[in-house]
Amino acid sequence: QKEVEQDPGPLSVPEGAIVSLNCTYSNSAFQYFMWYRQYSRKGPELLMYTYSSGNKEDGRFTAQVDKSSKYISLFIRDSQPSDSATYLCAMSEGSGGYQKVTFGIGTKLQVIP
Amino acid sequence: EAGVTQSPTHLIKTRGQQATLRCSPISGHTSVYWYQQALGLGLQFLLWYDEGEERNRGNFPPRFSGRQFPNYSSELNVNALELEDSALYLCASNNHRDEQFFGPGTRLTVL
Repeated sequence: QKEVEQDPGPLSVPEGAIVSLNCTYSNSAFQYFMWYRQYSRKGPELLMYTYSSGNKEDGRFTAQVDKSSKYISLFIRDSQPSDSATYLCAMSEGSGGYQKVTFGIGTKLQVIP
Repeated sequence: EAGVTQSPTHLIKTRGQQATLRCSPISGHTSVYWYQQALGLGLQFLLWYDEGEERNRGNFPPRFSGRQFPNYSSELNVNALELEDSALYLCASNNHRDEQFFGPGTRLTVL
């Protein structure tokens, strides 16, 4: 079993839809959770970073962490064609620069105008 | 603030040759991570350097090696290249909260 599971998609939605992206994990020691966006042939860029269970909102993006279920989500409101990209979840056990970050395989999202 | 930089952007080699990839972290970041992103496989952790030392290594053969210099820049070397080494190689540096910032990557093609 992989430490982090993520549906690779692709996921196609119409412009303006609410998008829900999810990851599950098996390592209960994970404490820090991140979402990255990666456009084709580019490096990933950090979108959201959360530590505790609960919700964190940034503009049209909301990250949700449920540690009891080992489940994290990223919601995108009012999706735009420019949101078309691959979204990777990532998580680590600790902070301080000494912890390996484990990534999901990424979900490819296409927002259709 | 300048981001993570990588060079070259593209690299074409033939099987059996050696490739050298370079990375400069964000100023003030001392950790450098290397990842391989092959088509359909996601980000695979390769190597992690901090303060000039190799701190952790992913499940890759010894022909993948690297080093970190006193200015915290890093080099990834891949010896005896194989066709399956063709991938996007990403370098990242992180701040004290494990927020990783990626460079644009080097696309390595092995013919």
